[in-house]
Amino acid sequence: QVQLQESGPGLVKPSGTLSLTCAVSGGSVTSNNWWSWVRQFPGKGLEWIGEIGHWGSTNYNPSLESRVTMSVDKSKNQFSLRVTSVTAADTAVYYCASDSLSCGGNCLNLSWGRGTLVTVSS
Amino acid sequence: DIVMTQTPLSSPVTLGQPASISCASSQSLAHSDGNTYLSWLQQRPGQPPRFLIYKVSNRFSGVPDRFSGSGAGTDFTLKISRVEAEDVGVYYCMQVTQFPFTFGGGTKVEIK
Repeated sequence: QVQLQESGPGLVKPSGTLSLTCAVSGGSVTSNNWWSWVRQFPGKGLEWIGEIGHWGSTNYNPSLESRVTMSVDKSKNQFSLRVTSVTAADTAVYYCASDSLSCGGNCLNLSWGRGTLVTVSS
Repeated sequence: DIVMTQTPLSSPVTLGQPASISCASSQSLAHSDGNTYLSWLQQRPGQPPRFLIYKVSNRFSGVPDRFSGSGAGTDFTLKISRVEAEDVGVYYCMQVTQFPFTFGGGTKVEIK
């Protein structure tokens, strides 16, 4: 199983841009079909943000689609999440995952990052 | 979006006793391919979620057989036949039948 590690600023100002990277180790970012982002709000609710294929195809949550961009960097073996125009409602722990959450039986091999807390505050 | 509603919010259980969690979807999770894409995830304190069950009742290798899933259409259940201390955590149902994927609000299983 691959290992994943999220990184990025823990504090973002309102109206700013949240940028996170998920580094992939123990495997190649081109070895999996899909890579996902999920966030968990302080009250513990989970929200699917979206997924990206290593070839660049994406599926985004419509509630965030106008503000979200995902990308894959094969040279750095990582994938990234960008959320623009953030507000306090974007404060959450952000997780990356090593497959689409629709992985079915393959979810046995799905890896999660440890999660990174992003706080939106001035 | 498909809304997933879990009950109860919290389930205090005596060790060795059963626990049951319900999950209702706002529309049928039956896919046109004949499958129903309802999964259950467990989140232990301080850890990311992990998958327990997929397609309603298929338990992953390594998941104890005291966990079982059932249901169809819009109503689903996760049962723990005999709760153990390691089962403490929050359980989420999730649908991947239709974009966007959506989660239930979570049920906290704790020991009395």
